[in-house]
Amino acid sequence: QVQLVESGGGLVKPGGSLRLSCAASGFTFSDYYMSWIRQAPGKGLEWVSYISSSGSTTFYADSVKARFTFSRDNAKNSLYLQMNSLTAEDTAVYYCARVPGGGLVEIYDHWGQGTLGTVSS
Amino acid sequence: EIVLTQSPGTLSLSPGERAILSCRASQSVSSRFLAWYQQKPGQAPRLLIYGASTRATGIPDRFSGSGSGTDFTLTISRLEPEDFAIYYCQQYGSSTGVTFGPGTKVDIK
Repeated sequence: QVQLVESGGGLVKPGGSLRLSCAASGFTFSDYYMSWIRQAPGKGLEWVSYISSSGSTTFYADSVKARFTFSRDNAKNSLYLQMNSLTAEDTAVYYCARVPGGGLVEIYDHWGQGTLGTVSS
Repeated sequence: EIVLTQSPGTLSLSPGERAILSCRASQSVSSRFLAWYQQKPGQAPRLLIYGASTRATGIPDRFSGSGSGTDFTLTISRLEPEDFAIYYCQQYGSSTGVTFGPGTKVDIK
């Protein structure tokens, strides 16, 4: 069955960095676009970024552009989100999610359990 | 950016009742690009409906979606105890990106 397992969250000071990972299994990882979506504590969902199946194309929300980098290693069935220059507004549970259908329609049919990144001094 | 507004913010109902949730967009959204998710406390969201009206794999038929343009609806025909949760609508547009609504909480009356 499809499994997505995030890791790498934790506590970091403002201005610091975190690198999140997402390990995928149970499907042909290299066939799928993937995304990161985050949820601040007690708040709604915010799309962060997506990456094409090959990793050649990425898009970012304006709120994270130039600070976050989304990459993937299809040989390792893994995703990475490098987050730099973090602020308190980046505090959230970060979910990786699968985009079905070749990325033509960005919906999310499988989600990981999420990893919490907290930015605080 | 397309802004999605969901109403009501909270819906208090009893098991067995019908729930009708609304999602309104600030500009027209293609039905193909409108989805609904369910989220329970401490869990990741789960895809319920995509293309405005197509149930995702394994979703019971008491869940149905409808609508077009700027007005979309999620209906739960008869609430089961496991349906009490927060529901989010989501749209995608190639030029407008991905946005989620703020959610509707369905809680037990």
